[in-house]
Amino acid sequence: KAGVTQTPRYLIKTRGQQVTLSCSPISGHRSVSWYQQTPGQGLQFLFEYFSETQRNKGNFPGRFSGRQFSNSRSEMNVSTLELGDSALYLCASGPGGNTEAFFGQGTRLTVV
Amino acid sequence: GENVEQHPSTLSVQEGDSAVIKCTYSDSASNYFPWYKQELGKGPQLIIDIRSNVGEKKDQRIAVTLNKTAKHFSLHITETQPEDSAVYFCAARAPGTYKYIFGTGTRLKVLA
Repeated sequence: KAGVTQTPRYLIKTRGQQVTLSCSPISGHRSVSWYQQTPGQGLQFLFEYFSETQRNKGNFPGRFSGRQFSNSRSEMNVSTLELGDSALYLCASGPGGNTEAFFGQGTRLTVV
Repeated sequence: GENVEQHPSTLSVQEGDSAVIKCTYSDSASNYFPWYKQELGKGPQLIIDIRSNVGEKKDQRIAVTLNKTAKHFSLHITETQPEDSAVYFCAARAPGTYKYIFGTGTRLKVLA
């Protein structure tokens, strides 16, 4: 069974640009959640989607948004990039219920 | 707000010794407590988890204990090996969501 797949693995963007990251969950998983990982702030929750509906949202500015498609694949978008958005963005998927979540390898975003 | 404290931030042990990492959570609604291992350049990997109706769980050299009253949970690794060297994260989660609150991580170094 394939794991959680995130694309691209690495990305370099310029301040002010926008970026879209993609996450394909494990087959059969209906929940996708996103996290930002930085050395200073650690792992912080961005948002969670379940069956195309945003179920939870973390404390990030409106420049961070996401969506989930009918096939459970998810995308997150960051507009008007700032240097501080440089981070490893991780996606996790789960089947729902009180079950474990599995993480992808992440997308390393560098803003210059 | 929701918070998970994790100690120590770094831990060095000799190969064959035991390692203990401790976490404290604040949200009384939390009922699921996973531990993740993250190696350089990779996403977090689930190594063990415990639910609030259980006080202890063991899987070979790894064990986790939970004290709901004190809101403490701990990871115990026995007979450590060099390949156990990584960053370990604890997390807490409330029912019906994949929103994890992560600890700040412990960098474990196992010295050969």
